[in-house]
Amino acid sequence: NAGVTQTPKFQVLKTGQSMTLQCAQDMNHEYMSWYRQDPGMGLRLIHYSVGAGITDQGEVPNGYNVSRSTTEDFPLRLLSAAPSQTSVYFCASSYERGGETQYFGPGTRLLVL
Amino acid sequence: AQKITQTQPGMFVQEKEAVTLDCTYDTSDPSYGLFWYKQPSSGEMIFLIYQGSYDQQNATEGRYSLNFQKARKSANLVISASQLGDSAMYFCAMPGYVGTASKLTFGTGTRLQVTL
Repeated sequence: NAGVTQTPKFQVLKTGQSMTLQCAQDMNHEYMSWYRQDPGMGLRLIHYSVGAGITDQGEVPNGYNVSRSTTEDFPLRLLSAAPSQTSVYFCASSYERGGETQYFGPGTRLLVL
Repeated sequence: AQKITQTQPGMFVQEKEAVTLDCTYDTSDPSYGLFWYKQPSSGEMIFLIYQGSYDQQNATEGRYSLNFQKARKSANLVISASQLGDSAMYFCAMPGYVGTASKLTFGTGTRLQVTL
């Protein structure tokens, strides 16, 4: 049982490049979400999904896309990277929406030059 | 809107001593919960302990316990018998909703350093 996995662990991009951050969980959790962590701002919700085929925006969705074709995978796409997207990105999952413990992946550290 | 406040940016504790990390919260929800997460230097967020507002007894998980005082709106984490491996950032968090999205509202964290 690997829990929540994320790849890559670290990535450097140039402004304007696109990339996909991968997230997978093997706990059969319905609810998955993406956060970004910035100094002094805590963790902010980017996008979330309540099940396969269903996604919605969180607090800071601009510049990011998500899809959920399977229960296990929830990739986050940066469409055209900007320096403001330099951050640490966490994927989280829980059995269902609301109140349940959210298990976090190890994070992806992204630097946009 | 919910708010989590952690007023201790950094704390030091000697190995084998107990330490209390403070967390106060503000919410208008009649039913709520509080989480504590640990973030070591490697960066992952590790779930430590959870307590719901209607739980009768303070939650405990091994060396971690939650000193929950609803009247004071505080949910302090107590770590007993500190170990060097406890050195990390600690975040208090409260689940809530942004529109229909379930999210955790985090405090700014406390960096704990365990010394010999």
